[in-house]
Parts: sequence; structure tokens; C-alpha cells
Amino acid sequence: DVKVTQSSRYLVKRTGEKVFLECVQDMDHENMFWYRQDPGLGLRLIYFSYDVKMKEKGDIPEGYSVSREKKERFSLILESASTNQTSMYLCASSSGQVNTEAFFGQGTRLTVV
Amino acid sequence: DAKTTQPPSMDCAEGRAANLPCNHSTISGNEYVYWYRQIHSQGPQYIIHGLKNNETNEMASLIITEDRKSSTLILPHATLRDTAVYYCTGTTGTYKYIFGTGTRLKVLA
Repeated sequence: DVKVTQSSRYLVKRTGEKVFLECVQDMDHENMFWYRQDPGLGLRLIYFSYDVKMKEKGDIPEGYSVSREKKERFSLILESASTNQTSMYLCASSSGQVNTEAFFGQGTRLTVV
Repeated sequence: DAKTTQPPSMDCAEGRAANLPCNHSTISGNEYVYWYRQIHSQGPQYIIHGLKNNETNEMASLIITEDRKSSTLILPHATLRDTAVYYCTGTTGTYKYIFGTGTRLKVLA
């Protein structure tokens, strides 16, 4: 089975802290994604990576950056966490072929206090 | 990029077919339509996808209109475990998945 693993299920951080959310996939997928999920807003794409060291902004990249140094790992970075970044963060991966689905991790619920 | 519109919520009696609609009028000719569902506190799970033809797998059926502007996900015999939020999404030329707000399906005993 494809596995997408997010490093933490729950995280509490203080305002102004630098926060790293880690995601690892084990299927040699080309594409990896970070989404944010908030009540009433659905899933919104933050960043997308289609290859190592390659990234593309999604719909809501402000306040976030990403890193993909190895194919299997995609990190989301909150440079200076703020309370409005309290949310559920979901990582996903896909093979990059046109006819294939994305696989999601279990999510990280981040609370910024 | 395809934008999708779904009703916010639906109810369905257990054992009956659940028909979940999705409008994707801006979808382009080479974009696939995907359906996912998310059970509380879990990541979304893939259900089915299609391009032009109707599709069926062990979980559901997908009906895509001829003009491809809308589709319907059919759960033929809904169970309580099908209670979830269902998302339809398209992919872009660079294979990003753009999600909407989904439909919260409640299966009633």
C-alpha cells in the first residue's frame, strides 16, 4: 500500500515560532502537495512540488515556504507562525501521470497560541 | 483550472443509493474528474475518476454528462460507514488537484 506519513498528528506552537511540518511518501512519486483545511473552506492548495527542488505556489502560499531536497520528503515551513495559521494541514503525493490519483497523509492539526 | 461546485450537505437512507452531484463547468477537455471522500479526522481517500465515459469500481459509480460539465457519484447501497465529506476535483495540466468545499453526506439508519 502507498503510504504518506506526516510527522505529527497534533502540534501546538507559539506565535512567532518557526514551524516545520514533515511529509514522507514511500512510492517514488514525482508530485507532492501541501493543503490546508478549514471549516467551510474545503481543501486549499498551499504549495505543490513536481520534482526534487522544484515547487510551485498554490492558492494560498503567503506565510509558508516549502523544501524538497529528496524525492520522498516534502516539508512545509511556517517562518513565523501566527494564530491565523491554526488549521489542519494535509500532505499528498501522486505519480505525476495524468490518469492517477493522489494519496493523502492523515493530517497534522496545528494550533498556534 | 477546473472549479467545482457541490451541494454542502445531503442525507440518504441506509441501503438506498446516494447520488452526489458535482458541477465542473470550467473543466477542460483533457482534465479528469476525481472523487475523494474524507471520514472524520482522516485524510481524504480516493474513490474513482473518469474522463468522458462512465466508470464503476467496487466502491462507486461515476456518471459524467456528455458535455462534461457535471458528474454524479453513485454509492449504490449506502451504509452508515459512508457518512463522510465527498469531494469532486479536477486536475490541471500540471496535475494539481483543485478541491472545493465538498458535500457532507449523512447516511441515516
